[in-house]
Amino acid sequence: DIVMTQGALPNPVPSGESASITCQSSKSLLHSNGKTYLNWYLQRPGQSPQLLIYWMSTRASGVSDRFSGSGSGTDFTLKISSVEAEDVGVYYCQQFLEYPRTFGGGTKLELK
Amino acid sequence: QVQLKETGPGLVQPTQTLSITCTVSGFSLTSYYMQWVRQTPGKGLEWMGFIRSGGSTEYNSEFKSRLSISRDTSKNQVFLKMNSLKTEDTGVYYCARGDIYWGQGVMVTVSS
Repeated sequence: DIVMTQGALPNPVPSGESASITCQSSKSLLHSNGKTYLNWYLQRPGQSPQLLIYWMSTRASGVSDRFSGSGSGTDFTLKISSVEAEDVGVYYCQQFLEYPRTFGGGTKLELK
Repeated sequence: QVQLKETGPGLVQPTQTLSITCTVSGFSLTSYYMQWVRQTPGKGLEWMGFIRSGGSTEYNSEFKSRLSISRDTSKNQVFLKMNSLKTEDTGVYYCARGDIYWGQGVMVTVSS
C-alpha cells in the first residue's frame, strides 16, 4: 500500500498568517496521463471530511482561493493564505492512484 | 439537492456482523460510484471500498475477507456489511458519493 505521511504545523497559527501543510507519498502519484492523483480534505470539528483540492492542485467547487495545492510526484503542499477561524480543523491528504486509497495521518490547524 | 444519510445499529457485539445503510437522494446510484470510509481512533481515516455506477465493487484488502458492499437502486440505498467485528472496528462510518458529497457518518461501537 502507498503510505502517506503528513507534517505538523507550528500551532497555533496567528489569524491572517499563511500556513503550509506538507504530505509525502511512498510512491510517485504522477500518472502517465500527466495527472497527480492526490486529494486534500479538511475535517472541521464534529463534521465529515470536505474535499478541498483534487488532482493535487485543482480546487473543488466553492472552495476559497485562499487554498492552493502544489507539489511533485511524491512531495506535496497545501497552502492556506490568510488563515481564518473557519479553517480550523484537521487536514488530510489522500492518494487515489492505487487501491487501496490511503490517507495521511492528518495535520491539525489551530488558530491563535 | 444531494443528500446522504447513514443508519446503523450503534452498538455491536464482538464477532457479530455490522450492517449499515446509506440512503441517498438527489441523484441516481447508476450514475455515480459510492464509497465507504471509516474513521477509527487507532487508524484514523481508512478507505474501505466502493461500488461503481455499474455495480462492480472494489475493496480494501485489509477488509476484503469480511466486507461486502451492495446496493438497491430502486430504493436509493447502498449497504455495508462487515462480519467478525472486533473492538478495533469501533469508529465512525461514512458513505460518500465520489469524493465530494459525504454523509454525516454513523458511530459504531463494538463492545460486549
